[in-house]
Amino acid sequence: GESVGLHLPTLSVQEGDNSIINCAYSNSASDYFIWYKQESGKGPQFIIDIRSNMDKRQGQRVTVLLNKTVKHLSLQIAATQPGDSAVYFCAENSGGSNYKLTFGKGTLLTVNP
Amino acid sequence: EADIYQTPRYLVIGTGKKITLECSQTMGHDKMYWYQQDPGMELHLIHYSYGVNSTEKGDLSSESTVSRIRTEHFPLTLESARPSHTSQYLCASRPWDYQETQYFGPGTRLLVL
Repeated sequence: GESVGLHLPTLSVQEGDNSIINCAYSNSASDYFIWYKQESGKGPQFIIDIRSNMDKRQGQRVTVLLNKTVKHLSLQIAATQPGDSAVYFCAENSGGSNYKLTFGKGTLLTVNP
Repeated sequence: EADIYQTPRYLVIGTGKKITLECSQTMGHDKMYWYQQDPGMELHLIHYSYGVNSTEKGDLSSESTVSRIRTEHFPLTLESARPSHTSQYLCASRPWDYQETQYFGPGTRLLVL
């Protein structure tokens, strides 16, 4: 079936380094993608989103890249800080008007001071 | 962003009890969602609503039920709680048709003994 998955379940980086979190998707009809950050004991928090008519979108210290050819999505965090430590989820809207998001399994990012 | 409120934040209850998890949003969003999330795992959609008097089952089968009598309120009920219902329950809402981002509440952690 269709799925959204992540390549790495955990990622550990040093403070100040750049982080890259990857996500693979299999539904070619997906036309919207979103990254969420979830800190321990909290609900997911919106980070950045991108539509399928774009390859790249930048926010504050974050960049999302979309490669539709290989169905790959990545989140880049510049100058990673301890406060970035969290679980990061990608999600996709599989197209159509069903208003639903399908979530991947999540990557745990740990930032070492 | 949306203001999404969930109560209680934590609940420990015995098997067989009836429970209702509350979710409210103050932004007038039509679309609301309930997800179930086990620790460190992805989110699974269990219910959603397009608006008042509209409810649909999600992708993950759940013994819970929901109602949507008012736009701002989307409670989830378990008639007879079981240990298998132990999980985190997250509520989300979405602003309008062409804005697909879902905004999440803080979640309710449920433990059924």
